[in-house]
Amino acid sequence: EAGVTQFPSHSVIEKGQTVTLRCDPISGHDNLYWYRRVMGKEIKFLLHFVKESKQDESGMPNNRFLAERTGGTYSTLKVQPAELEDSGVYFCASSPRRVPGTGELFFGEGSRLTVL
Amino acid sequence: SQQGEEDPQALSIQEGENATMNCSYKTSINNLQWYRQNSGRGLVHLILIRSNEREKHSGRLRVTLDTSKKSSSLLITASRAADTASYFCATGPSNDYKLSFGAGTTVTVRA
Repeated sequence: EAGVTQFPSHSVIEKGQTVTLRCDPISGHDNLYWYRRVMGKEIKFLLHFVKESKQDESGMPNNRFLAERTGGTYSTLKVQPAELEDSGVYFCASSPRRVPGTGELFFGEGSRLTVL
Repeated sequence: SQQGEEDPQALSIQEGENATMNCSYKTSINNLQWYRQNSGRGLVHLILIRSNEREKHSGRLRVTLDTSKKSSSLLITASRAADTASYFCATGPSNDYKLSFGAGTTVTVRA
């Protein structure tokens, strides 16, 4: 069974440019999450989809970040325009769980974003 | 705000020794999980302990949970070079789907 896949694995862009990260969750997983780790700090929650609906986007830093999950399958996270502080590793995770507070998350290998 | 906080930040041990790391959290939880991240890879789930459990084992891993102190520990016995990684605790609140992570403990196992 294929795991969570993320693309690209590494992206280097100039400040002010746009980047789109993609995540393909495990097939059948309704829950999809985006997390970010900046410079060795804690892994911070960005947002959570249940199928195509945004369940919780309380962790999104600002309106330069836009996440979508059309059709409830893959998800994209767009940063426009990118700033230096957006550099970090963006992780996507999915889970099949239906009950809050239970179950493990399955993570992708992350997309490393470097903004110069 | 950060829910889980691991201690120590970094740990270096000799192969064959045990490694212990701790996690403290702030709010009530449904479960606490530990994940491992090898360099440049994704996070891999290691073990989950529920709030009504006090201790759990999985292979060379032993996890304890003290809900009165809001803390957990992860013990890796007889460490191997392959255990070199960052270890994160993550808490699952009872009323929410998302997990909250700490900054991790970086473990280096020397051959």
